[in-house]
Amino acid sequence: AQSVTQPDIHITVSEGASLELRCNYSYGATPYLFWYVQSPGQGLQLLLKYFSGDTLVQGIKGFEAEFKRSQSSFNLRKPSVHWSDAAEYFCAVGPRGGGNKLTFGTGTQLKVEL
Amino acid sequence: SAVISQKPSRDICQRGTSLTIQCQVDSQVTMMFWYRQQPGQSLTLIATANQGSEATYESGFVIDKFPISRPNLTFSTLTVSNMSPEDSSIYLCSAHRGNYGYTFGSGTRLTVV
Repeated sequence: AQSVTQPDIHITVSEGASLELRCNYSYGATPYLFWYVQSPGQGLQLLLKYFSGDTLVQGIKGFEAEFKRSQSSFNLRKPSVHWSDAAEYFCAVGPRGGGNKLTFGTGTQLKVEL
Repeated sequence: SAVISQKPSRDICQRGTSLTIQCQVDSQVTMMFWYRQQPGQSLTLIATANQGSEATYESGFVIDKFPISRPNLTFSTLTVSNMSPEDSSIYLCSAHRGNYGYTFGSGTRLTVV
């Protein structure tokens, strides 16, 4: 069965510092991979997705993620964090071709210190 | 990607009553999904809704408790029936649209008192 692991439940970084959120997945084949962000009381906003091709994916708000097949990882990065990035971040996997449910990780709560 | 309008955004309901949540997509989509996010938790899929067929429910979720309608390719509703405080959660709908991936509604924050 597919699963997603986000090993860091909480992360605190200083504004302007770099950020890396970890995501590892277990899947029968190379899945579609997603990162979503959820601000308090809000729905989910798609940051970026990986379907195929270049393994370094650029997203919105200055985020990027790198797909590493050998490590079954899809870590999210940002070179300089802004206070407005404080939110919960979810990694998710879905079947290639879509059309089926996403499996979500448990989320990483990001706190940004000014 | 598709834009989803979800309503209500929040509600406070008495136990034993029912609440219907609506999601309207701005384009036709084949599959829509309903998720529950309990306080401090990740998202759990309740069911998948295809137009013209019965919804497919995940283990632990039943149609009597969470009836779903999908009358056309742009609209779906989820009803939370006979509510108890344990149903207090955020409920989110999602749609899949080809290479655009999955889009989510803004969520319905339900509190049952």
